[in-house]
Amino acid sequence: AQKVTQAQTEISVVEKEDVTLDCVYETRDTTYYLFWYKQPPSGELVFLIRRNSFDEQNEISGRYSWNFQKSTSSFNFTITASQVVDSAVYFCALSEADSGGYQKVTFGIGTKLQVIP
Amino acid sequence: DSGVTQTPKHLITATGQRVTLRCSPRSGDLSVYWYQQSLDQGLQFLIQYYNGEERAKGNILERFSAQQFPDLHSELNLSSLELGDSALYFCASSTGTVYNEQFFGPGTRLTVL
Repeated sequence: AQKVTQAQTEISVVEKEDVTLDCVYETRDTTYYLFWYKQPPSGELVFLIRRNSFDEQNEISGRYSWNFQKSTSSFNFTITASQVVDSAVYFCALSEADSGGYQKVTFGIGTKLQVIP
Repeated sequence: DSGVTQTPKHLITATGQRVTLRCSPRSGDLSVYWYQQSLDQGLQFLIQYYNGEERAKGNILERFSAQQFPDLHSELNLSSLELGDSALYFCASSTGTVYNEQFFGPGTRLTVL
C-alpha cells in the first residue's frame, strides 16, 4: 500500500493562477515528518519544507504555502500567483523511524506542474 | 549546491557490463541513501548506509550492491546491466538522525545500450 499518495500526476495552469498540489500520507507513528521537494527540468532535487507531526500550523514562504491537516492525513502545497519557473515535478515525502530508530523515508510518485506563460 | 557530489554525471555503457557510481555526502552527514528514478517510476529507494553500515534496503536488485567507506563516501555497483537499468541514480545524505531532510546530489544518468 502506498504510504504517500500524490493523486495528481500532472497539472497545467496559466501563469499567475494559484495551484494546490495534494499529498495524502499513511502512518501509524505519532511522531513523523513530512517534506516537499522540487525537481526542476534541470533534474536536481531541492528541499522545500519540513514539517513535524506536532505542528499543524500552516506555513507560508513567499508564494509558497503548506496546509498540514492530521485529521485528513494531508500535507498540501499551494503556489500562489504561479510563475513559469515553478514548472517542475514536486515530491511529497514521509519520514518515520524504523524499528531500529533510524530514518525511513517514503516518497510519493510526484506531481508534474506545468505553468504556461 | 547541496554539498553532495556524485560522479560521473553521465554514463553510457552496454548490456552485461558493470559500472560504479560514486557519492560524497555533505560534510558531517553520516547517512547516505541511493535512489533510482526512471521515466515510468518515481523515486525508488534502493539502499541506505549509516556510518559505514547498511541500515535499510528498498527495491534494490541482487545485481546491485553498495558500500560506504570509512571516509563516508559511498559507491553503488551495478552489474550485468540490462536496458531497464537505464535511469537517473541519485545519492542523498543526511545527518542520519531521524526526521532530518535529505540533501540530494545532482544525480548520475546511466544509459544502457
